[in-house]
Amino acid sequence: GAGVSQTPSNKVTEKGKYVELRCDPISGHTALYWYRQSLGQGPEFLIYFQGTGAADDSGLPNDRFFAVRPEGSVSTLKIQRTERGDSAVYLCASSLKGGGPHNEQFFGPGTRLTVL
Amino acid sequence: DQQVKQNSPSLSVQEGRISILNCDYTNSMFDYFLWYKKYPAEGPTFLISISSIKDKNEDGRFTVFLNKSAKHLSLHIVPSQPGDSAVYFCAASGSRGSGTYKYIFGTGTRLKVLA
Repeated sequence: GAGVSQTPSNKVTEKGKYVELRCDPISGHTALYWYRQSLGQGPEFLIYFQGTGAADDSGLPNDRFFAVRPEGSVSTLKIQRTERGDSAVYLCASSLKGGGPHNEQFFGPGTRLTVL
Repeated sequence: DQQVKQNSPSLSVQEGRISILNCDYTNSMFDYFLWYKKYPAEGPTFLISISSIKDKNEDGRFTVFLNKSAKHLSLHIVPSQPGDSAVYFCAASGSRGSGTYKYIFGTGTRLKVLA
């Protein structure tokens, strides 16, 4: 089916390295979200795109984290100088448009990032 | 400060009986609430939602109840089936006037339905 896809499914990297995580939303969905889920926790909001622009980046933990969506479809989450505390499952979601009833977010399977 | 709380990390229920999962929230600006189900190695899957103007929404075996005065919502599954065994997340959104539609999630409740 044409759900949200994320690549890679798993990423192991060393402390201090740079990583990119990719999200392909459902075709036609204008809203895209990134969340991070640590062990034993619920997903935690990172950033929300409406089209190409970041409408809300209040969840990005620090300036090592950055995300882009240059053509309003695929998005890339970029993490610089990774730290062990960045280890988590990074989830991407998309919705037809932003918010409210009948615009529920559909999630991808996630990328499990492990920083050694 | 946890704005959405699921105080029961786990719940076991016999097949055919009712499962009740609870969720509390603190932010009165939340106007939309959802339940997601998550299986291992998969992303959360939307289950059911409710707007703050309603107090009940039903979809097949799933019913969500909202008590705004108590800032409490619950998910009822009846009858429970073994395939319902998963982690259930409560989520809230406060989109009204804020321009953002992010979800705030609880920590999840692991439901196990025993055959």
